[in-house]
Amino acid sequence: SYVLTQPPSVSVAPGRTASITCGGKNIENESVHWYQLKSGQAPVLVVFDNNDRPSGIPERFSGSKSGKTATLTISRVEVGDEADYHCQVWHDGSDPIVFGGGTKLTVL
Amino acid sequence: EAQLLESGGGLVQPGGSLRLSCTASGFTFTKYAMIWFRQPPGKGLEWVSIISDDGGSAYYADSVRGRLTISRDNSKNTLFLQMNNLRPGDTARYYCAKATSIYQGYYFDYWGQGTLVTVSS
Repeated sequence: SYVLTQPPSVSVAPGRTASITCGGKNIENESVHWYQLKSGQAPVLVVFDNNDRPSGIPERFSGSKSGKTATLTISRVEVGDEADYHCQVWHDGSDPIVFGGGTKLTVL
Repeated sequence: EAQLLESGGGLVQPGGSLRLSCTASGFTFTKYAMIWFRQPPGKGLEWVSIISDDGGSAYYADSVRGRLTISRDNSKNTLFLQMNNLRPGDTARYYCAKATSIYQGYYFDYWGQGTLVTVSS
């Protein structure tokens, strides 16, 4: 089955830029989505289809792809951005909905 | 804005059953596929089951096929997950989500806060 690989953790100081990566075979051919999970809250879609932002999501959140890696970039990081971030693709097959293992973003 | 509210979780013994519900509002429920996800303690997200907008098609993750059944009542804007023969490995927070179709499958743009299912003796 298809595998997405994320770093377990990323740390960043407030006001700086955080980059969270998501690697997968031939990911350049996939549509990648990103979700923010905070304990006790409903997960939030922050980027869909590689680089589109849902309404209400700040412009500080952006997505990109280069080579075998998709990246979620959070500019001007705020304490409130501290959360787990998961990438996801739909990959045709018997197990089509694939998530990365998640990255815990810590704002120092 | 779309809102989803899950209910029905709790503590159940191995082999037992639970029925989860997810009540939807703020969007036209009948136009969208819906999905159940779960997140076991300390682990990542995994999909459980997805159902088409009219309820005519449903798909399951291998780990739950034959034990869990997804359904929906479009007259009541409600999604269900009937969980039978539960195992300790089913312990997780269960989320329902609205599925939006794109050229490659779906993304999931609204989620509920989840309901906790604990399978333990």
